Amino acid sequence: KNEVEQSPQNLTAQEGEFITINCSYSVGISALHWLQQHPGGGIVSLFMLSSGKKKHGRLIATINIQEKHSSLHITASHPRDSAVYICAAAVNNDMRFGAGTRLTVKP
Amino acid sequence: GAGVSQSPSNKVTEKGKDVELRCDPISGHTALYWYRQSLGQGLEFLIYFQGNSAPDKSGLPSDRFSAERTGGSVSTLTIQRTQQEDSAVYLCASSLDSGLAWFFGSGTQLSVL
Repeated sequence: KNEVEQSPQNLTAQEGEFITINCSYSVGISALHWLQQHPGGGIVSLFMLSSGKKKHGRLIATINIQEKHSSLHITASHPRDSAVYICAAAVNNDMRFGAGTRLTVKP
Repeated sequence: GAGVSQSPSNKVTEKGKDVELRCDPISGHTALYWYRQSLGQGLEFLIYFQGNSAPDKSGLPSDRFSAERTGGSVSTLTIQRTQQEDSAVYLCASSLDSGLAWFFGSGTQLSVL
C-alpha cells in the first residue's frame, strides 16, 4: 500500500461542476502539499497545509490531521483547470507523492 | 532571479556518459529540492538541501547520483555512467525555508540512449 493514496485517479467533469480530489496518507507529516501539473509538464505549488483549510480563488484545500486526510476542491470548474493534481506529504525532509489525479474539464 | 531556473532544458546523452544538471533557485531561498519524474510515473524525491547541507541523501537512486550546492545558491545534480533507466524529467524546487511553499523550475528532460 502506498503511503500517499489519491482518489480518483481520473476525473472528467463538465464546466461549472464542483470538483473534489481526495488524499489519504499513512505517515506522520510536517505538511501536506497540493501541486498542479499542466499537460506541458510544468508544476505549480497550489497549497501547503499543516492544519485546517486554505482558499485561493476557486480552489479550497482542507486537511484533517487526526484522520490523515486532505481534500482539494475546485468550485465552478473551468477547462483551464484540466491538469494532473498531485498530493505530496512532507515527512521531515523527505517527500512522499501520490500518483496524481488527472482532471479533465469539458466545456 | 524571478523564478527557479534549470539548465539544460533538454539533454540527450549516450549510455555510460556523465551528465550534470543545474538548478538556480530563487534568490534567498534556503531550501532546495531535487525530484524526478519518469515517463508515466509519479514524482520521486531525490534529495533536499538546507543551505549547502543535505541532511538526507538516502533518496538518491544509486551511488552514481550525487548532488552539491554551493554558496547556498546554485545546485548541481551529477549522474555518472548514465543508464537508460535514468531517463526522466529532473525537477528542482526551492522554498524560502523548509516547511514553506515550493517553487518549481521547468525541469531538465534527460534522455539516455
